[in-house]
Amino acid sequence: GQSLEQPSEVTAVEGAIVQINCTYQTSGFYGLSWYQQHDGGAPTFLSYNALDGLEETGRFSSFLSRSDSYGYLLLQELQMKDSASYFCAVKRGSNYQLIWGAGTKLIIKP
Amino acid sequence: DAGITQSPRHKVTETGTPVTLRCHQTENHRYMYWYRQDPGHGLRLIHYSYGVKDTDKGEVSDGYSVSRSKTEDFLLTLESATSSQTSVYFCAISESRTSGSDTQYFGPGTRLTVL
Repeated sequence: GQSLEQPSEVTAVEGAIVQINCTYQTSGFYGLSWYQQHDGGAPTFLSYNALDGLEETGRFSSFLSRSDSYGYLLLQELQMKDSASYFCAVKRGSNYQLIWGAGTKLIIKP
Repeated sequence: DAGITQSPRHKVTETGTPVTLRCHQTENHRYMYWYRQDPGHGLRLIHYSYGVKDTDKGEVSDGYSVSRSKTEDFLLTLESATSSQTSVYFCAISESRTSGSDTQYFGPGTRLTVL
């Protein structure tokens, strides 16, 4: 079957760095995406990795290891506005579907 | 922001009644999706469409039907609503590509309560 695992909740301090992990078991893997969702809001796209390695976009970076079926989202210089849920999602291929993890709630303390 | 609207934004209905949710896009994207989001489950795909009149089932399609008669509109119908269908429903759109992330853009969501 298809499955993605990520921690349900992570707590960090404002200004710190936090890493949110995602492991997956899917067939037909094309790439791993990350989305952010604030409470009461809609998910918004953050990043996508198709190849092994690190992709950096400002304070956010995303990493993928295809051989380990593993990726992570790295958030630096945490701000209170980063408090949100973060979802990893696998792109499987030709039908453009995404398979979603259950989400990680990031709690940031002052 | 991608032009996606959902209507209604909130709805309370009773068990056994039919309900239709509408998703409207102004981006001319080919792919449209309906998800439901429940605590602890993340986003689960109900149905998706890859073109006008072309739809397919997702992982939780039982009790739901969809229609897409125009590129811009994707309707989700609960033929006979049940309390288990109380959820937040999101519509999403994406462009078709042969490579790339196929970023999905989400509407604001519809909160449906079935009593």
